[in-house]
This record gives sequence, structure tokens and C-alpha cells, in this order.
Amino acid sequence: DTAVSQTPKYLVTQMGNDKSIKCEQNLGHDTMYWYKQDSKKFLKIMFSYNNKELIINETVPNRFSPKSPDKAHLNLHINSLELGDSAVYFCASSPAEGRTEAFFGQGTRLTVV
Amino acid sequence: AQSVAQPEDQVNVAEGNPLTVKCTYSVSGNPYLFWYVQYPNRGLQFLLKYITGDNLVKGSYGFEAEFNKSQTSFHLKKPSALVSDSALYFCAVRDWKGKSTFGDGTTLTVKP
Repeated sequence: DTAVSQTPKYLVTQMGNDKSIKCEQNLGHDTMYWYKQDSKKFLKIMFSYNNKELIINETVPNRFSPKSPDKAHLNLHINSLELGDSAVYFCASSPAEGRTEAFFGQGTRLTVV
Repeated sequence: AQSVAQPEDQVNVAEGNPLTVKCTYSVSGNPYLFWYVQYPNRGLQFLLKYITGDNLVKGSYGFEAEFNKSQTSFHLKKPSALVSDSALYFCAVRDWKGKSTFGDGTTLTVKP
């Protein structure tokens, strides 16, 4: 069983569209994250949820809205997609406290055309 | 604010030679330090971490890292590199609340 799974793996869409990426973890972790990896491979945290509550919200356009229906799921909805949103988006999870490593999904490659 | 620096974009070594991938950090309080590896088209995989105790920590695939508090460094090392070690390596620091900050990554290329 995949510990952190994201769908879809690839997403190609036109500018202006709205799209969602789903993430599920079966590790029983309290905390889930969304990261963006740009074309230069830089990795930046976007959001973090702990037990369905938003705890980290970095400087991200408000077109990006995370939703956590339960602590095993953290979805990312993006409105009015722009060319600059093209990137690989990674979901991750970890226990809440800081000593434990994060487990990453395989990523969703979003291409906006 | 916490930060991580990986001063080398690229590290090239010959197979069988030792390798070092550098990382320095800045954080308030005790650091929780991690190394992750990313193979092409894959997510990040955990390699090793320093939380407390021994300054030399051992991890997966024969990798180890040395925590140096005075130099605020956490360099990744391996005594004998393999071609299959070629990948992108990230150093990260995590605070007690769980917020992680990643370095910009270092591409390791091991040549036969």
C-alpha cells in the first residue's frame, strides 16, 4: 500500500481553468503538507494542516485553497490557473511533533498551457 | 526565521570515491535536521536525521551525516559512492512545531 498517494500524477490544463489535486495518507499521521517544486527543483512549503486545521499558510496566491475533510486527506484546489503555476506539487505527511521525518507522495506534475 | 543553505548546486564524484554534500543551517533552539533524496520523477525519500545524541548519524544506503553545532553544519557523507547514488539531495531543518525548511538541493552525479 502506498503510504502517501496523490492523484492525478500528471495534469495538463489550459490557463483560466480550475483544477484539484487529491492526497491521502494511510500512516495515521496528524500533519499533512503541500509543497511546490519549481522548474529549478526548489522546494517550498505552501500549506500545512494538523488534524484538519490550517497551521502553516505561506505566501501563496489565494487562488490556491487547501481543504482537509479529515486528517487522512488534504486536497489542493487551484482557481484560474496561470502559466506560472506549472510545477510539481508534492503532498507529504508526518506526525505532529518536529522530531519525525516527513513522508512524501510521488508528486503531481501540473502543466498549464 | 530558520534557513538552510546547500552551497553547491552540483557535486561530481567518481564511483568508489568518498562523497560529501554540504549543508549549513540557522534555527532558534535545538535543530532537528534531515536529509532527503529525490530520484528523477519521484517524491522525496528520507535518508537520515539528527535529533539529539551522537553527532554522527547513520542512515539508509550507507549514508551518514555529521552534526557540527559550532559550525552549524550537517554534511552528508558516504565513504564509497555508487553510480546509483546519483540523485538530488535536500537538507532540511524542522522546528519543534513541525515546520520544515528545505535547502535548494544539490545534484549528485557519480561517474563510473
